[in-house]
Amino acid sequence: GESVGLHLPTLSVQEGDNSIINCAYSNSASDYFIWYKQESGKGPQFIIDIRSNMDKRQGQRVTVLLNKTVKHLSLQIAATQPGDSAVYFCAENRGTSYGKLTFGQGTILTVHP
Amino acid sequence: GAGVSQSPRYKVAKRGQDVALRCDPISGHVSLFWYQQALGQGPEFLTYFQNEAQLDKSGLPSDRFFAERPEGSVSTLKIQRTQQEDSAVYLCASSSVGAGRRSDTQYFGPGTRLTVL
Repeated sequence: GESVGLHLPTLSVQEGDNSIINCAYSNSASDYFIWYKQESGKGPQFIIDIRSNMDKRQGQRVTVLLNKTVKHLSLQIAATQPGDSAVYFCAENRGTSYGKLTFGQGTILTVHP
Repeated sequence: GAGVSQSPRYKVAKRGQDVALRCDPISGHVSLFWYQQALGQGPEFLTYFQNEAQLDKSGLPSDRFFAERPEGSVSTLKIQRTQQEDSAVYLCASSSVGAGRRSDTQYFGPGTRLTVL
C-alpha cells in the first residue's frame, strides 16, 4: 500500500554541520506533514509541521521543505549538535478529518562531537 | 499535567495474559490516539477518540485489542490473551481539537513497552 518512506535510514554528521533528512510520500491526498524526533526510550517529539499549501517553513534551527510535484519532504537542521542525535520520522495526514498520522520508517541521525 | 503520561512504562506478560495500558492525555485535549511501534519501525495507528467517542478503530490488529475512554479523558488500551507478536511500544498521543481540524499537533507520551514471553 501507499506509505511514507525515507531515502536514508542513517545519517552521520559532525557537530556544527548542517543535516538534511529526506522523506518521500505517495498519497496525493496528504495535506499535512510533520517531523518528529524520537530519542531512545521516549515518545516522538514534535519538531515542525507544514501544510500542503506551503513550500517552506522555518523554525529554530530547522527548516522543512515540501515539494508536492515530486512528493518529497525534507528536514534541514542547521549547526547540528550532539543533542540532535535521535531517530527522525516524517508523518503525514492523508486527508482524514481528525489528524490520523501515517509515519515513515525513520532516519537515525548521529552527530559526532 | 504538563504532558501526556502513560503507565506502566514497562510491562512483561506471559503469553495468554490480559494487559491494560493507561494513557493520561494533556488536560482538556479533545482528541486521543493510540499507536503501536514495533522495534525499528515508525508508529502505526491503532485507534482514535474524540472525547469519549471512538471514531476510528480501523488499526486495531485483532478483536483481542480493545480501547476505551469513558469520560473523555483517561484512556485504557486492553489486550486480551496476549501473543508474542503483540510485543511493541504502545504510544498515546493527544491533540487539542477534534475532527474537522486536521492539522493539529499531536503530543506523544513516553509509551509503554510491552514484552510478551
